Amino acid sequence: EVQLVESGGGLVQPGRSLRLSCITSGFTFGDYVMSWLRQAPGKGLEWVGFIRREAYGGTTEYAASVKGRFTILRDDSKSIAYLQMNSLKSEDTAVYYCTRVGGFCSSSSCYSLFFDSWGQGTRVTVSS
Amino acid sequence: QSALTQPRSVSGSPGQSVTISCTGSSSDVGGYNYVSWYQQHPDKAPKLMIYDVTKRPSGVPDRFSGSKSGNTASLTISGLQAEDESDYYCFSYAGSYTFVAFGGGTKLTVL
Repeated sequence: EVQLVESGGGLVQPGRSLRLSCITSGFTFGDYVMSWLRQAPGKGLEWVGFIRREAYGGTTEYAASVKGRFTILRDDSKSIAYLQMNSLKSEDTAVYYCTRVGGFCSSSSCYSLFFDSWGQGTRVTVSS
Repeated sequence: QSALTQPRSVSGSPGQSVTISCTGSSSDVGGYNYVSWYQQHPDKAPKLMIYDVTKRPSGVPDRFSGSKSGNTASLTISGLQAEDESDYYCFSYAGSYTFVAFGGGTKLTVL
């Protein structure tokens, strides 16, 4: 059974940093692109970014709203994905979901891109 | 601000069919056959219902179907059941610069 479990959320002051973890099991982690999405209170889903497989350099892509502040990392030896969030703003307050990506992304583009397995989410509140 | 436009709400009676639209542009929905749909019940994680416009993951009832015409994708739910009452979101691949476009979500009410 595919499982994704996020952790690391909590209350953090504006301008500070936070690192979320996504521990996975039930599939060969290194074979998949991994992605983070978020959902602000009472709002819709928003894509945050993804990280390619190490076979394609483990490179990353981000939404414009987080580019330069957020970094996605992966540790294939531990089957864990991370979301490093720096310079947090109040508008980053949301439930953050870790997802496995279906489809295939080369170093330049994707051939199908969908989120086929989701964690339960971890809540991040940015407030003073 | 969402790049894809969905109706804020739709409704239908049990047994009826409803269709939720997702309108984008030639840069996303119209340019690729990579639209996916997600169901989200309150306080739950989203669940993949349709991918690559028309494909259904295993375990998703065949009452759920997807289609696309031009820049608009659609999710149709036939034989509505009470448990289909939920929020539905569409996503589309949007090329190698933006990568992902998403809709604002549609609340389905089963009357």
